[in-house]
Amino acid sequence: AQSVSQHNHHVILSEAASLELGCNYSYGGTVNLFWYVQYPGQHLQLLLKYFSGDPLVKGIKGFEAEFIKSKFSFNLRKPSVQWSDTAEYFCAVKIRNTDKLIFGTGTRLQVFP
Amino acid sequence: DTAVSQTPKYLVTQMGNDKSIKCEQNLGHDTMYWYKQDSKKFLKIMFSYNNKELIINETVPNRFSPKSPDKAHLNLHINSLELGDSAVYFCASSQGRTDEKLFFGSGTQLSVL
Repeated sequence: AQSVSQHNHHVILSEAASLELGCNYSYGGTVNLFWYVQYPGQHLQLLLKYFSGDPLVKGIKGFEAEFIKSKFSFNLRKPSVQWSDTAEYFCAVKIRNTDKLIFGTGTRLQVFP
Repeated sequence: DTAVSQTPKYLVTQMGNDKSIKCEQNLGHDTMYWYKQDSKKFLKIMFSYNNKELIINETVPNRFSPKSPDKAHLNLHINSLELGDSAVYFCASSQGRTDEKLFFGSGTQLSVL
């Protein structure tokens, strides 16, 4: 069965530190990839997505992610985090032309001032 | 105006009771979903409806019954609640079946005592 793994369950950083959150998926075919963010007390919202083309995609709030097909990975990065980035981050994968979006288990990011 | 709204926000009930969670979207989307987020933050799809037609029905106990009176509403009814049903339930919608951008509601935290 297809799955999505996020190996970092809890990440603690100081402001201005660089961030990289890992995401790996298990499926050999064509996929669309996403990162969703859930701020404390809020609903999930889309951070960025990759469908095709340039494997380095830029999202909102200075986030970016790189799709490396050979590694089945779609890691999320930000060069300098802020306290307001404290949230839960979910990687998600959708097999092309199917209905189901599969989420990873999430990574809790805490940023201290 | 809230795009995807679900009620109630919190639901505390006893084992064996029957309860419903309502969801409405005012985005004009064709597809709606129910996701369950467990205590470890793992998000798993339960159901999906497209234009009132059930298109995804994951392995969910038949105590859970979704109902879509029209494409703007997708309610979730749960019979004979069990302790293991305690979770946060998220409603979501998307423009179409393969439109991967999901808009989420703020969640319903269900606690079964």
